[in-house]
Amino acid sequence: EAGVTQFPSHSVIEKGQTVTLRCDPISGHDNLYWYRRVMGKEIKFLLHFVKESKQDESGMPNNRFLAERTGGTYSTLKVQPAELEDSGVYFCASTAGPNEQFFGPGTRLTVL
Amino acid sequence: AQSVTQPDIHITVSEGASLELRCNYSYGATPYLFWYVQSPGQGLQLLLKYFSGDTLVQGIKGFEAEFKRSQSSFNLRKPSVHWSDAAEYFCAVGPEGPGDDKIIFGKGTRLHILP
Repeated sequence: EAGVTQFPSHSVIEKGQTVTLRCDPISGHDNLYWYRRVMGKEIKFLLHFVKESKQDESGMPNNRFLAERTGGTYSTLKVQPAELEDSGVYFCASTAGPNEQFFGPGTRLTVL
Repeated sequence: AQSVTQPDIHITVSEGASLELRCNYSYGATPYLFWYVQSPGQGLQLLLKYFSGDTLVQGIKGFEAEFKRSQSSFNLRKPSVHWSDAAEYFCAVGPEGPGDDKIIFGKGTRLHILP
């Protein structure tokens, strides 16, 4: 069974540009989560989808971040416009039910 | 509010030596506790988890952790480390319950192995 996949693995953009990160959860997992780790800090929750609905987006830092999950399958996280402080590793996780979340390899975003 | 403290940012041990990584948590009820590992260039891999029952939990790669409610701790141990254990280790707590499924992570402990 394939795990959670994320694309791209690395992205380097300039301040002010737009970047879209993609996450493909484990097939059949209704719950999808986005987390972020900025340099030197802990991994922090961004938001949680149940199927295509946003269950909890309390961790989204500001309105430059837009997450979507059309059709309840894969999810995208768009940052527009990107700022220097958005640099970090963005993790996606999925689960079929409560408790254990399966994480993807992450996307390392560098904003110059 | 939930929180997790990993007091050691870096730890260095010799190959073959024993290891203990510390984790303290703050949580209102009986917590769900996790240890994840991130090896260089890899994603987060679950080492072990505690939900209930036996307070000594066995995980993958020879790791174990002990839940001590009186000390609010969930320390990770391994009797003999291997060079391949060099990685960053994250203690985590959560989720809190229906409607709040997020996991709260500590800042991580980076483990260095001396040959």
